[in-house]
Amino acid sequence: AQTVTQSQPEMSVQEAETVTLSCTYDTSENNYYLFWYKQPPSRQMILVIRQEAYKQQNATENRFSVNFQKAAKSFSLKISDSQLGDTAMYFCAFMRRQGAQKLVFGQGTRLTINP
Amino acid sequence: DTAVSQTPKYLVTQMGNDKSIKCEQNLGHDTMYWYKQDSKKFLKIMFSYNNKELIINETVPNRFSPKSPDKAHLNLHINSLELGDSAVYFCASSQFADPAYEQYFGPGTRLTVT
Repeated sequence: AQTVTQSQPEMSVQEAETVTLSCTYDTSENNYYLFWYKQPPSRQMILVIRQEAYKQQNATENRFSVNFQKAAKSFSLKISDSQLGDTAMYFCAFMRRQGAQKLVFGQGTRLTINP
Repeated sequence: DTAVSQTPKYLVTQMGNDKSIKCEQNLGHDTMYWYKQDSKKFLKIMFSYNNKELIINETVPNRFSPKSPDKAHLNLHINSLELGDSAVYFCASSQFADPAYEQYFGPGTRLTVT
């Protein structure tokens, strides 16, 4: 079974700073996707970024980028030039490509951006 | 023009009651999901349907019964509600049951059992 671990329950940074959220996962699969989801206080789940395990190049979406280390089973999210609107719970998630395709989530990291 | 909608958004009920949560998506997607988010914010999949057929059924008490009358709808019926059922329930949909296709989440239904 796959597991996803986020070791930082809470983080807090000042606006405009860069912050990195950690995620590790455990799987015996070789073909899978990894995701970061954002859940603001409105509780809406929003996909931030995703990475296919077969792609060596790290995914980037504007101010959001990942550091994917497949051998180490690590998938961290970097938020550059943080904004107040980035305040949210962030969830790392895993989905295998074959078989029962379900999102397996980590415990979440509560990120607060301070003005 | 909401993509994935859920009704109701809030539901307060007493132990032992039966309740339903409705989910509709207007994206033309084939696959729909139900997730449960507990009081510690932990999210876990409950069910997944693809073209009205059940494809994922996690270890969920059989008091929970999903029903998909058509591809655009996936409802969740809960019998004999218990205190531990209090949670936020999210519906989601994706074009296909494949991680290459983004899952779009509904706004969630906060269920409180007293």
